[in-house]
Amino acid sequence: ILNVEQSPQSLHVQEGDSTNFTCSFPSSNFYALHWYRWETAKSPEALFVMTLNGDEKKKGRISATLNTKEGYSYLYIKGSQPEDSATYLCALNTGNQFYFGTGTSLTVIP
Amino acid sequence: EAGVAQSPRYKIIEKRQSVAFWCNPISGHATLYWYQQILGQGPKLLIQFQNNGVVDDSQLPKDRFSAERLKGVDSTLKIQPAKLEDSAVYLCASSLNSEVLETQYFGPGTRLLVL
Repeated sequence: ILNVEQSPQSLHVQEGDSTNFTCSFPSSNFYALHWYRWETAKSPEALFVMTLNGDEKKKGRISATLNTKEGYSYLYIKGSQPEDSATYLCALNTGNQFYFGTGTSLTVIP
Repeated sequence: EAGVAQSPRYKIIEKRQSVAFWCNPISGHATLYWYQQILGQGPKLLIQFQNNGVVDDSQLPKDRFSAERLKGVDSTLKIQPAKLEDSAVYLCASSLNSEVLETQYFGPGTRLLVL
């Protein structure tokens, strides 16, 4: 079992604030890194798939970076909105299997 | 395009009872996954199907859990008998194929509470 860690476990931000959180993984097992967003009572939704060291992906106000050498990825949200409130999951893809982190629960306060 | 469907959405049972969950993947998706997410943990893969064959069931507790995908379309996951520690969200996901970078599309999950 590989250890994929996400931090912080939860955070609360004010509407309009920018925020970021971290996914750490064992770099020796890396094939790809996936980010998902999971709103309460809905299905997890794929945000990004990242494969290359130094990769940066962007989707609207959300962006992610990847460092495969040191084994981490950052997810950034610019100008948080209440609809960004969700749990953000990362998953390490080893080529054989997905290993999910425990998620970061984000609450954006209007 | 319809998403991954799961039912029921919620289930409460007593320990030692049996329970079954159903999943209908996105049409045309050959690969189907069942995950278990225990509160405070990340989703853990239980079983992966490619069409109606099992690709990986290494983390499925086979003494009490079983899963099938007989016609290569929808799938059922059964727990018999249930234990308290089986309380979790059971997520079904599907992907077009088993290519490593293929996106997995998730259903809304079934929340199971074992009393």
